Amino acid sequence: AQKITQTQPGMFVQEKEAVTLDCTYDTSDPSYGLFWYKQPSSGEMIFLIYQGSYDQQNATEGRYSLNFQKARKSANLVISASQLGDSAMYFCAMREERAGTASKLTFGTGTRLQVTL
Amino acid sequence: DTGVSQDPRHKITKRGQNVTFRCDPISEHNRLYWYRQTLGQGPEFLTYFQNEAQLEKSRLLSDRFSAERPKGSFSTLEIQRTEQGDSAMYLCASTTEGGRVNEQYFGPGTRLTVT
Repeated sequence: AQKITQTQPGMFVQEKEAVTLDCTYDTSDPSYGLFWYKQPSSGEMIFLIYQGSYDQQNATEGRYSLNFQKARKSANLVISASQLGDSAMYFCAMREERAGTASKLTFGTGTRLQVTL
Repeated sequence: DTGVSQDPRHKITKRGQNVTFRCDPISEHNRLYWYRQTLGQGPEFLTYFQNEAQLEKSRLLSDRFSAERPKGSFSTLEIQRTEQGDSAMYLCASTTEGGRVNEQYFGPGTRLTVT
């Protein structure tokens, strides 16, 4: 079974500063994918970034980067130059990547990020 | 470009009533998922369709829940004899296959309140 742990219920960061949101995972699957989604107060889940378990380089998407440490089973999200619009819930998720599977996502409990002036 | 849409956005019902939610995925997406999200938690997987075939169901999906995806397009999720514990946000997501990432695109959700 897959499990995602997010130990930070809430985080504060000042505008223009960088922030790291923690995520650890547990799986017995050799091939898996790790995702981060943002959920604003409107409720819609917005895809941010993806890291495959066999990817050699850490993923980056604009101001988002994923600090992937496979041996430690961690996949932390780094947001650089925080903006007020980054205030939202952030969820880490994973899926197994075997042929013939549903590729459903397993989510953590989320971290609420508040960006302050 | 239309994303995933869900209807209704909000539903208030009395315990014991039946409710049905609809999800319209992105048109070229053949995979469709239903998730349930309760307050303070991440979404939990309920069921998955590939085209019109329902290929996986979670243990969370009790006998009171049924989902369909006729013709492989829109999907419906029905809850019979609702209970207060069914109160949650029901999220639908869709994706395609064959690419490297195949991220799931989520709809805005249907918030169900059972009184």
